[in-house]
Amino acid sequence: QKEVEQNSGPLSVPEGAIASLNCTYSDRGSQSFFWYRQYSGKSPELIMSIYSNGDKEDGRFTAQLNKASQYVSLLIRDSQPSDSATYLCAVIVSSNTGKLIFGQGTTLQVKP
Amino acid sequence: DVKVTQSSRYLVKRTGEKVFLECVQDMDHENMFWYRQDPGLGLRLIYFSYDVKMKEKGDIPEGYSVSREKKERFSLILESASTNQTSMYLCASSNINRDYGYTFGSGTRLTVV
Repeated sequence: QKEVEQNSGPLSVPEGAIASLNCTYSDRGSQSFFWYRQYSGKSPELIMSIYSNGDKEDGRFTAQLNKASQYVSLLIRDSQPSDSATYLCAVIVSSNTGKLIFGQGTTLQVKP
Repeated sequence: DVKVTQSSRYLVKRTGEKVFLECVQDMDHENMFWYRQDPGLGLRLIYFSYDVKMKEKGDIPEGYSVSREKKERFSLILESASTNQTSMYLCASSNINRDYGYTFGSGTRLTVV
């Protein structure tokens, strides 16, 4: 069973701090990785994708990928209360169908 | 703006009823998916389709069926609704390009009484 593991949290950070969210995956052949944000009662929203080892930055968000360690992370700089949500890590397990496996999600709380 | 539209936001059905959940996407995506999301269990894949009239079982297909007669529409059918199918149902679509993740619909919260 291919798995994606996340710490469920909650992860609590003060406003303005850096939030670090982590994810590990079991399928060494995985090639595409995604981070989704889900507010309570809402559907997941894609915020970052990453395919190559290293860092990818988009505004206050940075995704980091280390395929050798089977590890992907999301950094949120200058965290805001509006960033409080559940963050889902997802990994493509089939390049033919684009089928994603999701982690359970990490709940982030940003305190003013 | 691209969209995945689910027909109902909230739905209440009785045990034993046949329930249809509809999903339509306007992005010409090949792939479409149905998930359910429950507290503590995360997102679980029910069925997916990578082409018209093609379907594959996900992790929890029991008690469900699907239909994809047109590229833009993917329907989830609960043959005989049961209380353990009370859940949030999420439809998603994606194209075959790996650069695109899923786009989700707004979800249907189904309650079976």
